[in-house]
Amino acid sequence: KQEVTQIPAALSVPEGENLVLNCSFTDSAIYNLQWFRQDPGKGLTSLLLIQSSQREQTSGRLNASLDKSSGRSTLYIAASQPGDSATYLCAVNTGFQKLVFGTGTRLLVSP
Amino acid sequence: ETGVTQTPRHLVMGMTNKKSLKCEQHLGHNAMYWYKQSAKKPLELMFVYSLEERVENNSVPSRFSPECPNSSHLFLHLHTLQPEDSALYLCASSQDRASISEQFFGPGTRLTVL
Repeated sequence: KQEVTQIPAALSVPEGENLVLNCSFTDSAIYNLQWFRQDPGKGLTSLLLIQSSQREQTSGRLNASLDKSSGRSTLYIAASQPGDSATYLCAVNTGFQKLVFGTGTRLLVSP
Repeated sequence: ETGVTQTPRHLVMGMTNKKSLKCEQHLGHNAMYWYKQSAKKPLELMFVYSLEERVENNSVPSRFSPECPNSSHLFLHLHTLQPEDSALYLCASSQDRASISEQFFGPGTRLTVL
C-alpha cells in the first residue's frame, strides 16, 4: 500500500529565506507527483506536476524535483515571502487518477 | 464562474438531517472526484466518476451517496451522518482518468455534524 510522508510537519522561517520541503513515498510505481498549496479552510491549488519521466519542474520561485527510484520529491521555494504561508501537500498518482496524499507541511513565513 | 465551484461552503447538520453537497466544474472535464479531509489526516479519496459513471468507491459508508447527472455536476447526498463525519469535503475534476492529467480542486464544503 502506497504511503506518503512529508517532513517537516511544520516550518517557520523569516522572510527572504530559501527553503526545502520534503515528500517521500514507499512505492516507486507512480505516474506523476503533484504539489499543492492549501490556505486555511480552503481548497487545494495545484503548484507543480511532475510526470514520472521528468526530474524537475519549475514555476517562478518554485522548483520541484523527483527521484522516483528513491521515492523522494522536494519542493524548493526561493526568497520566501509572507504570502507563501500555507500548508503544502504532495500527492502521488498511482494510476487512473488515484491520488495518495501526504499530511502536509504547514509553512509560516514571518515578515 | 470558472474552475471548480462547490456549494454550500459551510454546512451544519444534525445526525437525522438529509442534505446535499453540490460541485460544478466549468473546465469541460470528464472525470470528477469527492475527497474527505479530516483534521490531521491525509486527504482520502471517496468516489470517482468518469463520463458520469461511478468507477471507484473507496469503502465509503452508505450514508454518503454520490450522484453525477452529467459531466459538469457532482452531488454528495448525506443522511444520518455521525459526528466523526465532520470534515472538509473537496471536489475535484480532471480532463479524464489518464495518468498524465492534472486534478483541479474546488474550495470545499466545511461540514459539521452535531
